[in-house]
Amino acid sequence: DTGVSQDPRHKITKRGQNVTFRCDPISEHNRLYWYRQTLGQGPEFLTYFQNEAQLEKSRLLSDRFSAERPKGSFSTLEIQRTEQGDSAMYLCASRAGTNLPGELFFGEGSRLTVL
Amino acid sequence: GDSVTQMEGPVTLSEEAFLTINCTYTATGYPSLFWYVQYPGEGLQLLLKATKADDKGSNKGFEATYRKETTSFHLEKGSVQVSDSAVYFCALIQGAQKLVFGQGTRLTINP
Repeated sequence: DTGVSQDPRHKITKRGQNVTFRCDPISEHNRLYWYRQTLGQGPEFLTYFQNEAQLEKSRLLSDRFSAERPKGSFSTLEIQRTEQGDSAMYLCASRAGTNLPGELFFGEGSRLTVL
Repeated sequence: GDSVTQMEGPVTLSEEAFLTINCTYTATGYPSLFWYVQYPGEGLQLLLKATKADDKGSNKGFEATYRKETTSFHLEKGSVQVSDSAVYFCALIQGAQKLVFGQGTRLTINP
């Protein structure tokens, strides 16, 4: 499978714990995005990387959230001191420079449940 | 800021019925418009797109026309199938890198 891969697919954690999600984009895609989707809502933009540079961050990305893409390939999204309001589906997407800015290839998501 | 509004769901139709899912947008400039689809257990997939006024995007029998005068991008299909059951998201992008999505419309097609 050469699509966008996310791991883990499901994570249940207790409030206050840290969690980390990993995203492996399609190999030739140099742009990578993180979105968050809560039940019954559309995805909301969190952050965007071009190669290893984080070029845009949403105000939704509080100080407890950090995203990295150290070598311009896979990316991680870490949430520290999780809160119940962090429960959501975290989506990763990627695209090549030849795609339009809105033409994204999404992974299946990592579902977070904070108890 | 930019926003997208979709018709409330869920929508339930019989096979071979005509489908319309309404989408309107608010944007200060001239965004590109998209429909994404999420089938059960799968990730979001791009269904179709339009980048300027009066463009018609089409794919898999679905169509949507970019109407600047009504700020709309309604999704239509002439004859739906059970396999079209999914959640459909209208979205826009303008300048910046972030897609702005509507809340999604769940579609169920009964045989």
